[in-house]
Amino acid sequence: SQKIEQNSEALNIQEGKTATLTCNYTNYSPAYLQWYRQDPGRGPVFLLLIRENEKEKRKERLKVTFDTTLKQSLFHITASQPADSATYLCALNNNAGNMLTFGGGTRLMVKP
Amino acid sequence: GAVVSQHPSWVICKSGTSVKIECRSLDFQATTMFWYRQFPKQSLMLMATSNEGSKATYEQGVEKDKFLINHASLTLSTLTVTSAHPEDSSFYICSAPDRAKTYNSPLHFGNGTRLTVT
Repeated sequence: SQKIEQNSEALNIQEGKTATLTCNYTNYSPAYLQWYRQDPGRGPVFLLLIRENEKEKRKERLKVTFDTTLKQSLFHITASQPADSATYLCALNNNAGNMLTFGGGTRLMVKP
Repeated sequence: GAVVSQHPSWVICKSGTSVKIECRSLDFQATTMFWYRQFPKQSLMLMATSNEGSKATYEQGVEKDKFLINHASLTLSTLTVTSAHPEDSSFYICSAPDRAKTYNSPLHFGNGTRLTVT
């Protein structure tokens, strides 16, 4: 069966450190993968998109990698800040449309 | 940037009544909108795809007669939960693809509607 797995346990890190979140998938051949941020009681906000032919994508303090052999994406936040505390969702599609399937999300807590 | 407005942000209703949730694209046209449902500490589950001018496409297991979707214009989609029951209590979120693209397009989400059925 198809699965998108993110660590369901909260990730607690100290301010200033790099946070690394993992997204693993099985039985998908995604053309691209997206990462979103969701704050409590709010809708997700798009952060980054990476295509299957891209190894790495950066945006300010964010970095995403995409390994189609390992079927894994890593999401990094460097120099983390308490304001980065949120739930981060990965999402991917398996066809030509916009229908995304989301992972369960990982909650990140950055402590001052 | 593209903004999706969802209303109401929360609603409490009695069992057996119907509730309508609106989703508007404020500065762009959305021929397609997606409706998701999210339970606490769980992921977003796609309920249906709303298509302007045609019938919505529902995901397996979602009752189309219970969750009525109307997409009458290029900027408005509505979800009506009919004859609501306590088990329908959830967080409902709509989204629309970025106006600049259709393929590979990021989604712009509304801020969700917290429905509580008593």
